[in-house]
Amino acid sequence: DGGITQSPKYLFRKEGQNVTLSCEQNLNHDAMYWYRQDPGQGLRLIYYSQIVNDFQKGDIAEGYSVSREKKESFPLTVTSAQKNPTAFYLCASSAQRFSGANVLTFGAGSRLTVL
Amino acid sequence: SQELEQSPQSLIVQEGKNLTINCTSSKTLYGLYWYKQKYGEGLIFLMMLQKGGEEKSHEKITAKLDEKKQQSSLHITASQPSHAGIYLCGAEHGSSNTGKLIFGQGTTLQVKP
Repeated sequence: DGGITQSPKYLFRKEGQNVTLSCEQNLNHDAMYWYRQDPGQGLRLIYYSQIVNDFQKGDIAEGYSVSREKKESFPLTVTSAQKNPTAFYLCASSAQRFSGANVLTFGAGSRLTVL
Repeated sequence: SQELEQSPQSLIVQEGKNLTINCTSSKTLYGLYWYKQKYGEGLIFLMMLQKGGEEKSHEKITAKLDEKKQQSSLHITASQPSHAGIYLCGAEHGSSNTGKLIFGQGTTLQVKP
């Protein structure tokens, strides 16, 4: 079955360490997205990529980095520069047909806790 | 203030009762998407609305997009415990086709048996 796989499901990090969250999709989708979810704040866009080797900052990109070397993969690195990294991170992808018809398919999420 | 406001923020209903969740945008909507989330899990797509006045139904859930395309409602008829979760609306505010969605803060629904 096609879908999006995020790993790890739970991750603990000490302050000052970088961590990388994995996101892999086998849906043959062109576009991929990273969102952060905090209690009571809905989802906020970190980075997105519409095509391989290209990506754009979202609303809260500071302290994060991404790469898109393969169509199937869009890893997110949470750097030590991110001041409040404890959150639930969601990866999504879409076929990006046209505006108003972009259904995003989400992974199961990764919960990062900074100790 | 949020570009996409949901109300209410939380809701507790008795099983069998009807309920409505609203999603109001500060800008014209080019696409409005409803998702459901169980706590600690990913989002599951429910419905997509594109045209003003459009209405879609799936089982006991109906979503509408108003004529002016700045508000949507999600209505659940005869609620069941399986309807419990967090409902989020997501929207495209432009026609540039980046595919990125802005989300409301979510509505947490509890259904009491």
